[in-house]
Amino acid sequence: DQQVKQNSPSLSVQEGRISILNCDYTNSMFDYFLWYKKYPAEGPTFLISISSIKDKNEDGRFTVFLNKSAKHLSLHIVPSQPGDSAVYFCAGYSGNTPLVFGKGTRLSVIA
Amino acid sequence: GAVVSQHPSWVICKSGTSVKIECRSLDFQATTMFWYRQFPKQSLMLMATSNEGSKATYEQGVEKDKFLINHASLTLSTLTVTSAHPEDSSFYICSARDPWAGGLDEQYFGPGTRLTVT
Repeated sequence: DQQVKQNSPSLSVQEGRISILNCDYTNSMFDYFLWYKKYPAEGPTFLISISSIKDKNEDGRFTVFLNKSAKHLSLHIVPSQPGDSAVYFCAGYSGNTPLVFGKGTRLSVIA
Repeated sequence: GAVVSQHPSWVICKSGTSVKIECRSLDFQATTMFWYRQFPKQSLMLMATSNEGSKATYEQGVEKDKFLINHASLTLSTLTVTSAHPEDSSFYICSARDPWAGGLDEQYFGPGTRLTVT
């Protein structure tokens, strides 16, 4: 059973526009959700997180929204830049458990 | 933020040999480290959870005798791929949890090690 799902394997967005990456989860016990960005042949780097008790967290161009009733979260990047092109993973965890990752969405920002 | 390093970043070895990958937390003490493997076009798959001073906990389907994990100190965990085969070729990533991250118990990822077995 896949606890974290990113149903869009890829997304193309024009530079300057908004990128919206979606993530669904099934485990209602998750305390935190995190978004990671990954370039090829590199480890993931942390982008932004949100606690399960919040519905929005913003950090510069990145905003994460959480809809607990729908078990859905999304990452908004605005304005999108070519350097944002990467694979984005959402992940959830609870307590002392390891992160549970989605399969990732490859974002391509076209200049 | 906290820094996690991995060594080597890239290694090629012959089939049947063993390879050791090191994961270090450089500016914090990590009581727990995790080892992940990434297959092409797939998510990061957790292999094992490594706790300092105790045996690693392996995920289902991961051969503990093949992937030996040693968490000898609060800043170092090693993954040894024994008797490597071409199907072990992959990108191995470690992460370390900073228990003092305050509020959010974040994991910090290493840069990864690409293993190619010929």
